[in-house]
Amino acid sequence: DAKTTQPTSMDCAEGRAANLPCNHSTISGNEYVYWYRQIHSQGPQYIIHGLKNNETNEMASLIITEDRKSSTLILPHATLRDTAVYYCIVRVDLLRKLVFGKGTKLTVNP
Amino acid sequence: NAGVTQTPKFRVLKTGQSMTLLCAQDMNHEYMYWYRQDPGMGLRLIHYSVGEGTTAKGEVPDGYNVSRLKKQNFLLGLESAAPSQTSVYFCASSKTGHNEQFFGPGTRLTVL
Repeated sequence: DAKTTQPTSMDCAEGRAANLPCNHSTISGNEYVYWYRQIHSQGPQYIIHGLKNNETNEMASLIITEDRKSSTLILPHATLRDTAVYYCIVRVDLLRKLVFGKGTKLTVNP
Repeated sequence: NAGVTQTPKFRVLKTGQSMTLLCAQDMNHEYMYWYRQDPGMGLRLIHYSVGEGTTAKGEVPDGYNVSRLKKQNFLLGLESAAPSQTSVYFCASSKTGHNEQFFGPGTRLTVL
């Protein structure tokens, strides 16, 4: 699995967009990018995933650069409930394991 | 539809005791996983299963055993608990190997 690098922590004002970067410069062509988050003391929650194209769902948008070496998770209108640790994970689709790093601690401030 | 449930929520053991953690899912998922999470660290995969009757080792399998006798249940066993196994344990399931994983609420285990 490709290694990912994320900032340790970030802050965002409530109502503003939160942009969380992830570097995965060693990603290979068949590896997907997954994003999960973990709100304090709860189990991780799936957010979104993508391979090459940008993706959007009801929770977030995922922007993947053309060379696929980095991506950005966008929460368009952050709320206090979005305060959590966000994990960027790169995984080959045939493997069945998620390898979690330390993630980014996002704090949404009022 | 309860999703993924874990039993118990909390447990305190003495060194050398044994116990079994139960994970159940009602989504008819083929794949199930056990992770542990320690302070300041991400989740680490202990064991996983790709279907009823199958199990495989993950990143940190030592000291744990698992069984998947029924599709909806995945059991994690500690035969002789050690203080190093103090952790929060999360179970997850997914429809296939590359679908999103759904996580349970966790079991907080302390080994004295």
